Amino acid sequence: GNSVTQMEGPVTLSEEAFLTINCTYTATGYPSLFWYVQYPGEGLQLLLKATKADDKGSNKGFEATYRKETTSFHLEKGSVQVSDSAVYFCALSLNSKLTFGKGITLSVRP
Amino acid sequence: GAVVSQHPSRVICKSGTSVKIECRSLDFQATTMFWYRQFPKQSLMLMATSNEGSKATYEQGVEKDKFLINHASLTLSTLTVTSAHPEDSSFYICSARAQALGNTIYFGEGSWLTVV
Repeated sequence: GNSVTQMEGPVTLSEEAFLTINCTYTATGYPSLFWYVQYPGEGLQLLLKATKADDKGSNKGFEATYRKETTSFHLEKGSVQVSDSAVYFCALSLNSKLTFGKGITLSVRP
Repeated sequence: GAVVSQHPSRVICKSGTSVKIECRSLDFQATTMFWYRQFPKQSLMLMATSNEGSKATYEQGVEKDKFLINHASLTLSTLTVTSAHPEDSSFYICSARAQALGNTIYFGEGSWLTVV
């Protein structure tokens, strides 16, 4: 079956620190890959996506590259802000169905 | 941007009663909506795919008679948890596919259900 594995959390960083959140996947086909973010008290929002190998998704300073050879889609940001504090979910989509990772909580200290 | 509204955001009900959660696409039509469930520190698990005007498609292990899904219009899907029990307490979240917006998926804010 399809699955998404995210690194264990939570993660606490100081403002302006570099962020990497690991995500790997297994899939029976060629999925699209997503990062969703859930800010406190809000619903899930799409952060970025990539639909094929070597694509790079980017938004709000976050980036992730679809690596087929390592089945990974790691999320990175060069300098995090307090406002980035949220729960981040990695997900894959096949046949219009989304499969999510467990999510990881990021807390950024001023 | 496109908005999906879920209601109620929090609900507490007694064991044995039924509770209905609504999912509305506010500014787009959605022939397909999805219902997920999330236990604490777990990932979101797809429960069912809701298709406007037809029966929902349930994932393996999800009880159809317990989690009733109705998608009677292009902007509204409802999830009814029947004869709720404490183990049904969870975070339920819906999403809607906006065909006119490149099939982008938009999520609701989620609903916290507590069964006492």
